[in-house]
Amino acid sequence: DTAVSQTPKYLVTQMGNDKSIKCEQNLGHDTMYWYKQDSKKFLKIMFSYNNKELIINETVPNRFSPKSPDKAHLNLHINSLELGDSAVYFCASSQGDAQGSFFGQGTRLTVV
Amino acid sequence: QKEVEQNSGPLSVPEGAIASLNCTYSDRGSQSFFWYRQYSGKSPELIMFIYSNGDKEDGRFTAQLNKASQYVSLLIRDSQPSDSATYLCAVSPSGTYKYIFGTGTRLKVLA
Repeated sequence: DTAVSQTPKYLVTQMGNDKSIKCEQNLGHDTMYWYKQDSKKFLKIMFSYNNKELIINETVPNRFSPKSPDKAHLNLHINSLELGDSAVYFCASSQGDAQGSFFGQGTRLTVV
Repeated sequence: QKEVEQNSGPLSVPEGAIASLNCTYSDRGSQSFFWYRQYSGKSPELIMFIYSNGDKEDGRFTAQLNKASQYVSLLIRDSQPSDSATYLCAVSPSGTYKYIFGTGTRLKVLA
């Protein structure tokens, strides 16, 4: 059983399209995250949800909208995709903020 | 100044040697410190965490923390070619629900 699973693994789409990435965790964790890893491998937090409540929203364009229907799921919807959105997006989960986070396998988004 | 700084490497060590990876952080309020390993094309994997000053050992890995110097390190004893990966340092300021990552150090263990 995969602890943190996200779909799809690869996503190739044209500029201007809208796309969603889904994430689910079966670890019973109370906190979920979206990270973006750029071509230089820098891993930057985008959003953090604790018990379905948004608690961190970094300086991310409002074209990115996260949604957490329950503690085990955190989805990311992206409107009007741009070339600069191309990156690997990782979902992660943790129990609180002091025990480390566990990552999904990543979604490689390519905008053409 | 970046919040979490690491030397990008690559750090090359011969098989069987000790690899020493270093990380400095800027937020003195940070309480929790983590090391992740990321193989090329894969997701980060948590390998160690440390909260208190001093050393913490887990198998071939030792994490060292010095809060006064705002410094965290990871030692890998008896390095193996399978340890070749990028090692990410992460810091969590208390109560922020946020993990701040460094840019990672690429380690190459030469057979």
